[in-house]
Amino acid sequence: SQKIEQNSEALNIQEGKTATLTCNYTNYSPAYLQWYRQDPGRGPVFLLLIRENEKEKRKERLKVTFDTTLKQSLFHITASQPADSATYLCALGGNAGNMLTFGGGTRLMVKP
Amino acid sequence: ETGVTQTPRHLVMGMTNKKSLKCEQHLGHNAMYWYKQSAKKPLELMFVYNFKEQTENNSVPSRFSPECPNSSHLFLHLHTLQPEDSALYLCASSQSSRETDTQYFGPGTRLTVL
Repeated sequence: SQKIEQNSEALNIQEGKTATLTCNYTNYSPAYLQWYRQDPGRGPVFLLLIRENEKEKRKERLKVTFDTTLKQSLFHITASQPADSATYLCALGGNAGNMLTFGGGTRLMVKP
Repeated sequence: ETGVTQTPRHLVMGMTNKKSLKCEQHLGHNAMYWYKQSAKKPLELMFVYNFKEQTENNSVPSRFSPECPNSSHLFLHLHTLQPEDSALYLCASSQSSRETDTQYFGPGTRLTVL
């Protein structure tokens, strides 16, 4: 069965450092992968999309990589700030119409 | 968060009650979704509507009944729920295409079943 794994343990980093979050998947061949941010008690907010034929995507301090051989995506936040503290979800799509499959998310805590 | 709105934001109900959750999207999208988010579990897709037609029912118990009267509104009718149904219920919308599908979420309804 399809499986998406994100580190369920919280990631704690110091302000100014680069945060790197991992999304691994099995039994899936997605056409694209998305990253969302979710704050407590709120709905997820879309951040970035990367297609299967793209290796890397950037948006301001965010960078996403997508390795279809390793079946892995890395999500980087450079120069992290306490305001970046949230849960980050990866989602895979493209194989079943307009449906996305979400990972469980990784909580990021950026300490001042 | 004016793109997708959900009401109520919080709901406490007994197992014998009947209640409804409402979602409205102001983005002109043609697809709407209901998700369930429980603590420490991934988002679970419940229902999908494309152009007001239900295209997905992800083995959801019949005590959850969706309704989509038009492409901007989505309801989730609840009756005889169980305590394990307590969760954050999220509505989302998207402009469905064959290429990519970015979903826009509402703030959610925090449901507690006593």
